[in-house]
Order: sequence, then C-alpha cells, then structure tokens
Amino acid sequence: SQQGEEDPQALSIQEGENATMNCSYKTSINNLQWYRQNSGRGLVHLILIRSNEREKHSGRLRVTLDTSKKSSSLLITASRAADTASYFCATDSRGGSEKLVFGKGTKLTVNP
Amino acid sequence: EAEVAQSPRYKITEKSQAVAFWCDPISGHATLYWYRQILGQGPELLVQFQDESVVDDSQLPKDRFSAERLKGVDSTLKIQPAELGDSAMYLCASRRGERETQYFGPGTRLLVL
Repeated sequence: SQQGEEDPQALSIQEGENATMNCSYKTSINNLQWYRQNSGRGLVHLILIRSNEREKHSGRLRVTLDTSKKSSSLLITASRAADTASYFCATDSRGGSEKLVFGKGTKLTVNP
Repeated sequence: EAEVAQSPRYKITEKSQAVAFWCDPISGHATLYWYRQILGQGPELLVQFQDESVVDDSQLPKDRFSAERLKGVDSTLKIQPAELGDSAMYLCASRRGERETQYFGPGTRLLVL
C-alpha cells in the first residue's frame, strides 16, 4: 500500500519558472525523503527532512514539512529542461521496519 | 562516489521461465532492499535484509519469488515461474544505518512475454 500521495500528478512549466509539488501522508514518520526518477532509470535521492525539521534547502531545492498536517512540499526554483522527471516522496514511518513507502509521484515537464 | 550496482539492466523472458536479478550494495551498507515498480506507480517494497537476515518480506509473493543475501553483502532476487504481471522495474537500494538515506541502483527492467 502507498502512504504518500503527491499532488499534482502531472505538472508542465516553462524553463525558468518555479515548480511546486506536494505530498501528503497518513502515519507518524521518522523522516520524509524526496527522490527524482528520469524515465526508465533508477531513483536519485534529492533531500531528506527529519520529523523535527520544518524546512531544508539544497541548491535550487527547498523542502518543507508540516507534521501537524502530515504534508510536505518540494519547490524547485528556476527550473531547467534537465529537471524533467518524476518526483516521489517517501516516508519512513515510526515503529516500522524503516522501509520507505512511496507515493505515485508527480511527473514534471519543463519546456525549453 | 560509491553506487549500488544491479544487473542485468534489462531482461526479456517468456512466462513460466525463471529469472534472477543481482544487486551489490554500497560497501558497508548493512541494510538492503528490493522494490518493484510498476509503470506509472511508485516503488513498493518486496523484501528488506539486515545483513544476511530477512527483516520484512510481507509483500513478497513467496510462491514464486525468493531472495537471498547469503554473506550479508550482495543479493539475488529470483522469480520462478515468471508471469505476465511481473513485468516491472526491479530496484535495489541500500542504507548504512538507521534513519539514513536509502540509495538506489539503476534497476532491472523486466518484460515477461
């Protein structure tokens, strides 16, 4: 079963614009991670945010976490065509075996 | 930078045949995971190892799937017999310690005809 739900399912923007993707989850977590997957490839880890953190930055990426709402957002600023990919959130739930539970992903298309 | 290795990258087989996938985690990573990803979906865990022991195989279809990590390093996932519905991407991941990042390999794309 999938815990995380990304929103929107698909997003199409122009190069230079910002892209925001949201993730909601159901149970208490240790951390939440965002991954990128280019078509037909493996997953690339982008950023991990722990349950006691509210915001984290990495380059053009900004992730927020609201544990009271059980939600997270990923912002990609000044997008590039190379950012075209699917983006997944994954949660590492408390009390479990520390497996990651993924959502269905947001498919981002950045048009040049 | 160390990476998770997987082979083969692609596999085409006929239904009822046996297939095997191999994964070599990042050196020193005690925890190893096998995920299955159906097209258009997120990955779903099949089996988790801590060293050579299975921690979670609750979602592994044990009538046809088996996984082993005999020496606590590399791992093999086997399907016998393969069915049409097994067509998917099989991803391996590893992690050094608790609550740390999972790093994924490039995956094996399986097509069952």
